[in-house]
Amino acid sequence: GQQVMQIPQYQHVQEGEDFTTYCNSSTTLSNIQWYKQRPGGHPVFLIQLVKSGEVKKQKRLTFQFGEAKKNSSLHITATQTTDVGTYFCACLGGATNKLIFGTGTLLAVQP
Amino acid sequence: GAGVSQSPSNKVTEKGKDVELRCDPISGHTALYWYRQSLGQGLEFLIYFQGNSAPDKSGLPSDRFSAERTGGSVSTLTIQRTQQEDSAVYLCASSPRNRDTDTQYFGPGTRLTVL
Repeated sequence: GQQVMQIPQYQHVQEGEDFTTYCNSSTTLSNIQWYKQRPGGHPVFLIQLVKSGEVKKQKRLTFQFGEAKKNSSLHITATQTTDVGTYFCACLGGATNKLIFGTGTLLAVQP
Repeated sequence: GAGVSQSPSNKVTEKGKDVELRCDPISGHTALYWYRQSLGQGLEFLIYFQGNSAPDKSGLPSDRFSAERTGGSVSTLTIQRTQQEDSAVYLCASSPRNRDTDTQYFGPGTRLTVL
């Protein structure tokens, strides 16, 4: 079945450093979503990308959808301690076209 | 407006007992998902309800797990004869689901501990 892999699984950075997580699909995607889960919290929707090569920004966060629509990335510039959490990508797939979550990347930021 | 709510927020039970977890989705959302998340792990898909379609049960880990969604709204996840490995946070999410997107709104989860 469809798989959505994220790398790295874990990243530890010093506050102020940049961070990037990558999401790779085995199939072409119609769109991709990104979620953030703070420690002890639940996932919260961040953004959706639809077009090939699309780039969207939210303050220090930059989201990109690959030209082939099989991969995506989330880049955080100058990380802050508030960025700590697990970042998941998600896409529609499977026999019932349900939302499938990636494996997630846990970001730790050291002050 | 009101978000997704789940009850109870915490549940401690003894091995072998049955438990019921409840999810109240956002009004009007046609799609409802249940996930399980163990400490430090990702989201494990359990079941997906979409409108009046037959639910996608492909993620249920055993026949001890079942779920219902009554009237297209409230959902109940039932775990029979609980085992210690069932201990986890159970998350529910609902979505307005249209043809091309499925933005999910998560509830706060139910933390289940099986002693």
